[in-house]
Amino acid sequence: DTGVSQNPRHKITKRGQNVTFRCDPISEHNRLYWYRQTLGQGPEFLTYFQNEAQLEKSRLLSDRFSAERPKGSFSTLEIQRTEQGDSAMYLCASSSSLTDLFYGYTFGSGTRLTVV
Amino acid sequence: DAKTTQPPSMDCAEGRAANLPCNHSTISGNEYVYWYRQIHSQGPQYIIHGLKNNETNEMASLIITEDRKSSTLILPHATLRDTAVYYCIVRGSNFGNEKLTFGTGTRLTIIP
Repeated sequence: DTGVSQNPRHKITKRGQNVTFRCDPISEHNRLYWYRQTLGQGPEFLTYFQNEAQLEKSRLLSDRFSAERPKGSFSTLEIQRTEQGDSAMYLCASSSSLTDLFYGYTFGSGTRLTVV
Repeated sequence: DAKTTQPPSMDCAEGRAANLPCNHSTISGNEYVYWYRQIHSQGPQYIIHGLKNNETNEMASLIITEDRKSSTLILPHATLRDTAVYYCIVRGSNFGNEKLTFGTGTRLTIIP
């Protein structure tokens, strides 16, 4: 297992277009998290799944954002009608509910979105 | 989750110990202190965590005060590769407290 994989690494899109990012967690991890990070700030929590259930969503996750984890494995984050304010690094992390209190999360390298 | 306070930036000479402080004065009894770091253009990386005892692993040591209101992350022999933003995070152990809430962290620069 090579860790948490995020694709694409970079995405440039025109304002108003839809974009979708994919996250492949560590295979034995049942929890998956999405964060957003803008320049100079720490990562901000967006949403979290345990298996296929979406257990928590931040109020940052507007109606234009939707996340899925259909089979409890990979996850997708879609942004509809992108705005320039959506430009950020989107980070995915995974963990095991059995051990994450002791081993923390594993983060991917992120997808950098630029909306022009 | 309890809020943490960290200095925005610190410098440390290469080869010396880097001591990064964190205040978490509102921490409650079931909340752990976690440290992560983020090297430029990468995702955050878990370093260490603790509840009330001091902890050490291959990356760092964590010293938690007896009243648990503050802690210090120690990198014993800092190298240039330790230049990163370091985040101190308090997280509860109860169901519903799974997410990590990041602040703005401390930007540590290791000077050759």
